[in-house]
Amino acid sequence: GAVVSQHPSRVICKSGTSVKIECRSLDFQATTMFWYRQFPKQSLMLMATSNEGSKATYEQGVEKDKFLINHASLTLSTLTVTSAHPEDSSFYICSATQPIGDGYTFGSGTRLTVV
Amino acid sequence: DAKTTQPPSMDCAEGRAANLPCNHSTISGNEYVYWYRQIHSQGPQYIIHGLKNNETNEMASLIITEDRKSSTLILPHATLRDTAVYYCIVRVPIQGAQKLVFGQGTRLTINP
Repeated sequence: GAVVSQHPSRVICKSGTSVKIECRSLDFQATTMFWYRQFPKQSLMLMATSNEGSKATYEQGVEKDKFLINHASLTLSTLTVTSAHPEDSSFYICSATQPIGDGYTFGSGTRLTVV
Repeated sequence: DAKTTQPPSMDCAEGRAANLPCNHSTISGNEYVYWYRQIHSQGPQYIIHGLKNNETNEMASLIITEDRKSSTLILPHATLRDTAVYYCIVRVPIQGAQKLVFGQGTRLTINP
């Protein structure tokens, strides 16, 4: 079946630095990828939708200059958390749509801790 | 905002059928219902989806009411590994894309 790989699975960074998270579709081309974040004991919150070769579309309240999304190829999307602060500590999850059918495959998530 | 309402938690005995309800009274005619589950600190796992007909796969069955305002996910023989948060999601078109907007989900606990 379709597989989405997300790296790193865990990252700890210092406040003020930037962190890049990668999301790859391993065996299919994903024209659309989605980025979510999840705080403890809460549901997933959609942050943005990225389409290959075009600018990402951000959900209301999500700062596009803080959460930079690049979808340069049909198999890779990246999320960069810029100038990270402790309140950005969260579980970030990507998802990709499959070209055939109605499937959405999720990555295994990245736990970001900003200290 | 999510278009679904689910009970926050449910319990089920191991080996019994787990029936998870979901209300989506504002669903539109062409919007699909998806079910995913999430085990702690992992990405959501696809279970099943449907439009208006009942669906069954190796994991579960999805029963959608005729008016499509509610649905039930059935895990026929629950095991301890089915303990997870189950999300019922209505896929919605937003700004040209079909998006999965998660609600709060149901925390299902399977008891031995």
